[in-house]
Amino acid sequence: GQNIDQPTEMTATEGAIVQINCTYQTSGFNGLFWYQQHAGEAPTFLSYNVLDGLEEKGRFSSFLSRSKGYSYLLLKELQMKDSASYLCAVKGDYKLSFGAGTTVTVRA
Amino acid sequence: EAQVTQNPRYLITVTGKKLTVTCSQNMNHEYMSWYRQDPGLGLRQIYYSMNVEVTDKGDVPEGYKVSRKEKRNFPLILESPSPNQTSLYFCASQRLAVGDTQYFGPGTRLTVL
Repeated sequence: GQNIDQPTEMTATEGAIVQINCTYQTSGFNGLFWYQQHAGEAPTFLSYNVLDGLEEKGRFSSFLSRSKGYSYLLLKELQMKDSASYLCAVKGDYKLSFGAGTTVTVRA
Repeated sequence: EAQVTQNPRYLITVTGKKLTVTCSQNMNHEYMSWYRQDPGLGLRQIYYSMNVEVTDKGDVPEGYKVSRKEKRNFPLILESPSPNQTSLYFCASQRLAVGDTQYFGPGTRLTVL
């Protein structure tokens, strides 16, 4: 089975940086996804890591360490529109298993 | 436009009244899945399908049925809804390629009284 942990809530100031950690224990691993989900809306894809290291995409970066079962999503230059829930998801064969999500609140 | 659609978007019903939530995708994806999302529990998989006529249980299948008679459609059926099935439901689809993401429908908010 899968066990995926991430913090429940984080708060940060506009323009700051926030790092959302995700730890996982899985029976199979074919990559780790991060999704953004605004309240009441569908999750949207942010990033995918399958090899160790850092993937950078504009203001968002994601890191993976397979040996440690650890990933983080880094949000830089925070904007008010980044207030949302961020979901860590681990892929087995084809199935995605999700963490409970981290709600990020950006304050002015 | 490539998309996953769900209908209805909102539904209030009563215990025991059979209902169907439709899901359709226009991306020719083999894999489709249903999730429910509840506060503090995240997205939990109900059923999934690897292709036409191939379906399997996810983590929380009790009280739900699905069918996959056509590649584009994957309806979720609640034969006898109960209040504990009140939730936000998402349908998703993806290609059968390891690195491909899942694309989610807009969600169906279901309330069972």
